[in-house]
Amino acid sequence: AQSVAQPEDQVNVAEGNPLTVKCTYSVSGNPYLFWYVQYPNRGLQFLLKYITGDNLVKGSYGFEAEFNKSQTSFHLKKPSALVSDSALYFCAVREPPYNQGGKLIFGQGTELSVKP
Amino acid sequence: GAGVSQTPSNKVTEKGKYVELRCDPISGHTALYWYRQSLGQGPEFLIYFQGTGAADDSGLPNDRFFAVRPEGSVSTLKIQRTERGDSAVYLCASSLAFGGGHNEQFFGPGTRLTVL
Repeated sequence: AQSVAQPEDQVNVAEGNPLTVKCTYSVSGNPYLFWYVQYPNRGLQFLLKYITGDNLVKGSYGFEAEFNKSQTSFHLKKPSALVSDSALYFCAVREPPYNQGGKLIFGQGTELSVKP
Repeated sequence: GAGVSQTPSNKVTEKGKYVELRCDPISGHTALYWYRQSLGQGPEFLIYFQGTGAADDSGLPNDRFFAVRPEGSVSTLKIQRTERGDSAVYLCASSLAFGGGHNEQFFGPGTRLTVL
C-alpha cells in the first residue's frame, strides 16, 4: 500500500535561516509527489509537485523540493525562512495507476514555526 | 478567478441527524474529490468523481455516507444518522481531467462538522 511519512510533527526555525520539512514515501512504481500548505482556517494550497524530470522542483513562495529516489524522500526546502511561512505543511503522493484518477494520500503534516 | 467553495463553513448537528455538505468546484474542472480531515491528521480520501459518475468511492467509511454530482459540477456529500465520530473538517477539491494523474488539486476551505 502507498504511504507517506512526515517524521517531524513540528519544525522550529529562526527567520532568515534555511528550512527543511521532511517527507518519505512508499509507492509502487514511479511516484507523483506533492506539497501543500495549510494556513489557519484556510484550505490547503498547492506549493509544488514532482512528476518526472529534474530532481529539484521549484514552487510557490520560494519553496523547492528535492526528489531522491534512492532514499525515497521528497523534502521541502527554502533558503531563507519568513515568519509568514509559519503554517501546517502536508506531503502527498498520488496513488497509481495513474490512468484512474487523482486520489492523494497525505502525510500527517508538519507544523512549521518561524520565529523573528 | 473563483476557487473551490464549500457551504456551510460550519455545521453543528445532533447525533442521529442527517446532514448535507455542498461543494462548488472551479469552473471547467471535471474531477472532484472529497476528503475528511480529523484534528491533527492529514486529509483522508473519501470519494472522487469524474464528471457525474463516482469513479472511486473506496474511501467512504460506511453506507451512511453518500455523495452525488448530478450535473457534473456541484457535488453534495450526504451523511445519514450522524455519529460523534463523524466530526471532522470535510474538504472538497477539484482538478482538471485526470489523464496522466499529475494535475494538482485545488482545495476549498472546508466544512467543519460537529456532531453533538
